[in-house]
Amino acid sequence: SAVISQKPSRDICQRGTSLTIQCQVDSQVTMMFWYRQQPGQSLTLIATANQGSEATYESGFVIDKFPISRPNLTFSTLTVSNMSPEDSSIYLCSVGGSLNQPQHFGDGTRLSIL
Amino acid sequence: LAKTTQPISMDSYEGQEVNITCSHNNIATNDYITWYQQFPSQGPRFIIQGYKTKVTNEVASLFIPADRKSSTLSLPRVSLSDTAVYYCLVGDPPNSGYSTLTFGKGTMLLVSP
Repeated sequence: SAVISQKPSRDICQRGTSLTIQCQVDSQVTMMFWYRQQPGQSLTLIATANQGSEATYESGFVIDKFPISRPNLTFSTLTVSNMSPEDSSIYLCSVGGSLNQPQHFGDGTRLSIL
Repeated sequence: LAKTTQPISMDSYEGQEVNITCSHNNIATNDYITWYQQFPSQGPRFIIQGYKTKVTNEVASLFIPADRKSSTLSLPRVSLSDTAVYYCLVGDPPNSGYSTLTFGKGTMLLVSP
């Protein structure tokens, strides 16, 4: 199965700043997804990122706050902009499944905003 | 309206069989049922998926009655390392390539010695 690496694994940031999270996959994938998991909560889909097209955002998430890049088939970034304490969460990327491989996840980026 | 309903938590002891039931009364004809497991500080990990009847793999079994309005994840002889949150999902199969997964609240399973 594809190996997913996220960087950074964790960070502590000041409010008002922005942080870019990287997601690297060791094989080419068409679909990549970004999720947020707030403390003690379940996962919520932020957006779907296809290579070569604009990301598709779920209700409640906007591009200005969470810009996403997908420059090639193995890489994506999620930026959390103008952070506030409410953005303290784990951000996870996942890659779309294939016939023999279900959708699977990186281990996430744990973000704390002071 | 929640797509799935599961117990918030369950307790078990090592060596026991654990059955976690999930209700999905509004499951659509084309929906699959999928279970993921999540350990602290890790992303969710796929356990099993099914459409109807029974599916078994090296980790778990999934029982789905004929009306498909519920499903039961069965973990045989759990160990301490099975302590995790278990999520039941319904929707496109996670190996479809295009599926977006909708996570419910999950069941926190605590296995004690």
